[in-house]
Amino acid sequence: EDQVTQSPEALRLQEGESSSLNCSYTVSGLRGLFWYRQDPGKGPEFLFTLYSAGEEKEKERLKATLTKKESFLHITAPKPEDSATYLCAVPSGGSYIPTFGRGTSLIVHP
Amino acid sequence: NAGVTQTPKFQVLKTGQSMTLQCAQDMNHNSMYWYRQDPGMGLRLIYYSASEGTTDKGEVPNGYNVSRLNKREFSLRLESAAPSQTSVYFCASSETGGSVGEQYFGPGTRLTVT
Repeated sequence: EDQVTQSPEALRLQEGESSSLNCSYTVSGLRGLFWYRQDPGKGPEFLFTLYSAGEEKEKERLKATLTKKESFLHITAPKPEDSATYLCAVPSGGSYIPTFGRGTSLIVHP
Repeated sequence: NAGVTQTPKFQVLKTGQSMTLQCAQDMNHNSMYWYRQDPGMGLRLIYYSASEGTTDKGEVPNGYNVSRLNKREFSLRLESAAPSQTSVYFCASSETGGSVGEQYFGPGTRLTVT
């Protein structure tokens, strides 16, 4: 069965303390891996799409990378405004429609 | 551009009552989706519409019906609400094909069924 697993469930960082979030998947025939950011009380906001192992995408303090089994979302020198839940999604079951992971809740303390 | 809009933002229903959640997008997207989000469960797909005139079941369709009214609008109906349907409901839209994973979400409807 196709699965998308995110870890850790929650992460607390001090401002400026870099770290990484993980998304592992067991989908055969990857049709892309998608990262979203969700602020409390709001809908998810699309961040990145990665299609092949070795690919990297960057946006401000965020960099997403992809291997054959997992993706990392690296956060460099985070700020309190980076606090949010980060969701990973992968198309599964032969469809292009993504299955979402349960997310990592990130809190950055000033 | 408003993006994806949803109404209402909040709703409280009693068990057995019915209601329709409305969704509209102004990005000229072909595909639209309804998800529910529950604590610890993540986003789960209820129904989707790949294009105007088509609808298909997602992971958790029981107790719901949908209507793709036109290219812009996609509604979700609860015919007889149950406490298990207490959740946050999100509508989303996207292009078709390989861009389906790049979805644009509305602000959500917070539904409580008592």
